[in-house]
Amino acid sequence: DVQMTQSLSYLAASPGESVSISCKASKSISNYLAWYQQKPGEAYKLLIYSGSTLQSGTPSRFSGSGSGTDFTLTIRSLEPEDFGLYYCQQYYEKPYTFGAGTKLELK
Amino acid sequence: EVQLQESGPGLVKPSQSLSLTCSVTGYSITSNYWGWIRKFPGNKMEWMGYISYSGSTSYNPSLKSRISITRDTSKNQFFLQLNSVTTEDTATYYCARSRAFPDFWGPGTMVTVSS
Repeated sequence: DVQMTQSLSYLAASPGESVSISCKASKSISNYLAWYQQKPGEAYKLLIYSGSTLQSGTPSRFSGSGSGTDFTLTIRSLEPEDFGLYYCQQYYEKPYTFGAGTKLELK
Repeated sequence: EVQLQESGPGLVKPSQSLSLTCSVTGYSITSNYWGWIRKFPGNKMEWMGYISYSGSTSYNPSLKSRISITRDTSKNQFFLQLNSVTTEDTATYYCARSRAFPDFWGPGTMVTVSS
């Protein structure tokens, strides 16, 4: 199985700051990568797919980059509603696998 | 808008079967793909499998001998059955519209496996 590594379990930041969350695949997955956000009491939200394509409704302050094995989710100028749990997922091959998640917390 | 809602027992005994229902509104399950994902305590997530618009299925090999995903198109519902559960199957179970990357998720239902 493709192992997905999110090196940071926690990340603390303040509103207005920019942050980057990394995700590394154990083998090349081209750009078959999605990012999700989960907030308490809310359903998971697909933010980005194909590594960098914003899902409809995702604010433009979110961006995704990377290809191959290394990927980054960047949130520019954090808003209060951006704090939560972020996961990456590869869909290059089955079984599709997820990273362990990065919790973005308010500093 | 597509909405999904999981339902089923919150407590299952070891060695028994876990059965969950996903009710879909706003979209027909005879289109697209419909899957199950679970999140274990500690936040690890696992893709379990999906059923397609035609009824074909694909499962995570780690579960292949225990899992079954079926559907009832007349009720616009699809189902998860996981057999011979152990305490390691304790998780929050999510249904989603998904072939590769879920774009609509249910809120999740927590299932505890305990005697």
